[in-house]
Amino acid sequence: KQEVTQIPAALSVPEGENLVLNCSFTDSAIYNLQWFRQDPGKGLTSLLLIQSSQREQTSGRLNASLDKSSGRSTLYIAASQPGDSATYLCAVESYQLTFGKGTKLSVIP
Amino acid sequence: DADVTQTPRNRITKTGKRIMLECSQTKGHDRMYWYRQDPGLGLRLIYYSFDVKDINKGEISDGYSVSRQAQAKFSLSLESAIPNQTALYFCATSAGLRASTDTQYFGPGTRLTVL
Repeated sequence: KQEVTQIPAALSVPEGENLVLNCSFTDSAIYNLQWFRQDPGKGLTSLLLIQSSQREQTSGRLNASLDKSSGRSTLYIAASQPGDSATYLCAVESYQLTFGKGTKLSVIP
Repeated sequence: DADVTQTPRNRITKTGKRIMLECSQTKGHDRMYWYRQDPGLGLRLIYYSFDVKDINKGEISDGYSVSRQAQAKFSLSLESAIPNQTALYFCATSAGLRASTDTQYFGPGTRLTVL
């Protein structure tokens, strides 16, 4: 059974800092890995999708990497802003989408 | 208008009541999903449907049933609600064209409280 772990569970940083969120998964037989953002009381928004054959994807200030063989992914956020405050969820697609429990990010002005 | 809508957005009910949560999508996607989210447990898959005639159980289907009335509509029912079904419920859709690039689009969620 696929298991997805995210570390840390919560993170607080001052505005402007660069930061890294970590995700690990137990079964490397995946189709893709996805990062989502969830704002309080709202649904999930897809941020980045990395196919199993890819090493990284970038979107604006976000960069996600994938090391399938070691079962790890990182989400790098550059020059953090208060609007980045949210919970970030990592999910891997194998026979279904399996989610981690998320990292709650707070960016302090 | 939102691509994936859920009704109701909030519901408080009593133990033993039958509850239906509805999901509609305008994305034209064949695949639809129901998840529940609990603090400390993350999102877990309840049921999924790859087309109108295809319904599959997810990780935690006990106590739930679903109906795929049309490509655009997927309903989740709790036949006899119990307090541990109190959670945030999400509907999602995906195109399902290619597994490696198939991302899911989520509705805003339904907060269900069972007293």
